[in-house]
Amino acid sequence: DAKTTQPNSMESNEEEPVHLPCNHSTISGTDYIHWYRQLPSQGPEYVIHGLTSNVNNRMASLAIAEDRKSSTLILHRATLRDAAVYYCIRGDTGKLIFGQGTTLQVKP
Amino acid sequence: KAGVTQTPRYLIKTRGQQVTLSCSPISGHRSVSWYQQTPGQGLQFLFEYFSETQRNKGNFPGRFSGRQFSNSRSEMNVSTLELGDSALYLCASSQDGSSYNEQFFGPGTRLTVL
Repeated sequence: DAKTTQPNSMESNEEEPVHLPCNHSTISGTDYIHWYRQLPSQGPEYVIHGLTSNVNNRMASLAIAEDRKSSTLILHRATLRDAAVYYCIRGDTGKLIFGQGTTLQVKP
Repeated sequence: KAGVTQTPRYLIKTRGQQVTLSCSPISGHRSVSWYQQTPGQGLQFLFEYFSETQRNKGNFPGRFSGRQFSNSRSEMNVSTLELGDSALYLCASSQDGSSYNEQFFGPGTRLTVL
């Protein structure tokens, strides 16, 4: 199963936007891109997903490159509660293939 | 709507024993997936059940098995426990497991094998 590639860690200041990148160069044309995050001592939590076009929800925005080989999760105003491990995942039927994810630190 | 529940939350076993973990999905969800999380390997997919049938399986030995009941509740079993089976076991449910549906995770069962 092809995994995605993300930076190991990133830092942000509180109330500033955060752009979390992800490379998925082997993705197929019908694979959805999912983002989940895992806060300390909790199970993963769905953030957003998309196929081709950019997506927005109350938590974040997802920008997908035109060639679909990369995407960026955008947190518009980071808060301390956004400190978590963020996973970019290629969606497959019934399963999520997790990579190592990006640990996001948010500084006050 | 109640979330995904897992029981027990914590479990301590010794090598060679077997263990059964339980997962109750969100009402109306028919797909249940299981994952193992360890510090070294991260989150790894174990298997997925849909309509009482195993539809997907990850790369784990046969000691790891599961089943799903008609009410969509699922159990996973690990036989002949090894020290390396110590992990957080997470289950997730979704409406039908389609690649475009989000999965909702439970809080996990922390298994410690001594």
